Amino acid sequence: QKEVEQNSGPLSVPEGAIASLNCTYSDRGSQSFFWYRQYSGKSPELIMFIYSNGDKEDGRFTAQLNKASQYVSLLIRDSQPSDSATYLCAVNMFGAGGTSYGKLTFGQGTILTVHP
Amino acid sequence: GAVVSQHPSWVICKSGTSVKIECRSLDFQATTMFWYRQFPKQSLMLMATSNEGSKATYEQGVEKDKFLINHASLTLSTLTVTSAHPEDSSFYICSAPGGGETQYFGPGTRLLVL
Repeated sequence: QKEVEQNSGPLSVPEGAIASLNCTYSDRGSQSFFWYRQYSGKSPELIMFIYSNGDKEDGRFTAQLNKASQYVSLLIRDSQPSDSATYLCAVNMFGAGGTSYGKLTFGQGTILTVHP
Repeated sequence: GAVVSQHPSWVICKSGTSVKIECRSLDFQATTMFWYRQFPKQSLMLMATSNEGSKATYEQGVEKDKFLINHASLTLSTLTVTSAHPEDSSFYICSAPGGGETQYFGPGTRLLVL
């Protein structure tokens, strides 16, 4: 079983729709969870992180965490063509909220395409 | 925000040569840096943790004698791929943790070994 697993893609949504990206993780002791966006040929850029159960919203992005189910998701509202990228879920299996060790385990990524 | 740079951004070398990649934190100090490798259409895989003033910690399956890491100062870590071979061709990315949960990624170095 992979340590961090993302829903298989690619995912294609029309412009303006909601894109839903999912991620599960195997280590129940994981503390911090991250969503990164990676454009082709570029390094990842952080979208948001979450470490408490529930929802965390930032603009068009909402991260949801359910530690009991070992599940984290990212919703992108009003998707735009510029959101087309690979989305990487990452888990910090050693850190705790506010004291990140920084060692991340990444999922395999989900390719999102937003078509006009 | 904090910036991490990498040099070079891309490099092409002949098989058997060694290649050095630099990772610098430009406006903050980093006692720890991370080196990742990403093959085409795959995710980032952590190779090693670079520790200022001490030996690097390598992930399982990563040859420490092939991938030499030196954390020379609080702002510089280097990764040297020794005797590079075509299978080492990849996208190498470093990162440095910032405050709280933030981690800053460098822009990456694309290595092509002929």
